[in-house]
Amino acid sequence: DQQVKQNSPSLSVQEGRISILNCDYTNSMFDYFLWYKKYPAEGPTFLISISSIKDKNEDGRFTVFLNKSAKHLSLHIVPSQPGDSAVYFCAALNYNTDKLIFGTGTRLQVFP
Amino acid sequence: EPEVTQTPSHQVTQMGQEVILRCVPISNHLYFYWYRQILGQKVEFLVSFYNNEISEKSEIFDDQFSVERPDGSNFTLKIRSTKLEDSAMYFCASSVEQGRSNQPQHFGDGTRLSIL
Repeated sequence: DQQVKQNSPSLSVQEGRISILNCDYTNSMFDYFLWYKKYPAEGPTFLISISSIKDKNEDGRFTVFLNKSAKHLSLHIVPSQPGDSAVYFCAALNYNTDKLIFGTGTRLQVFP
Repeated sequence: EPEVTQTPSHQVTQMGQEVILRCVPISNHLYFYWYRQILGQKVEFLVSFYNNEISEKSEIFDDQFSVERPDGSNFTLKIRSTKLEDSAMYFCASSVEQGRSNQPQHFGDGTRLSIL
């Protein structure tokens, strides 16, 4: 099942710079997209989401951009902080369904 | 902040044995979920549960699996006869509503299930 793909397994960014995490999807029927952050030995923690009818959603240092024509979304973190170092999962959802479909994750490392 | 609680954090079981994984969802949530993540693979949906019945399940969730809400607070996943390939991290999640991005699913820290 390759409906949601994160092609970069890892990303390394200097503290204070921008982190950009990417996600592609194949199912044009998805209604929502979500980003979760996961630290080792913890469960995924919800970060930010976007409806398919929007192209941008911002929450503090985190902004998600959606390009429906390209079936692509990205998460921007500005400025990046060492505490942002974690695995980031992109997930997609259809309205009125229960099933989150996850990507494989991108490990972000923010170094001083 | 309220959170989803899972016990145990690590369960080691002999192949063929039954195992029950336990979860306490967030108290005002109505929708409950189990996901699993095999080492090195994606987080995969197993089942969702609402109003005391399964609302959706994946092809992974076969007859060996069952879920139950035995009381007002616990939500359990039972695997009747475990197989080696059931070894994974199992995550419980809950949400207030279904399929809404502004009411996301909240996850517990998981139970690592190791089948010997």
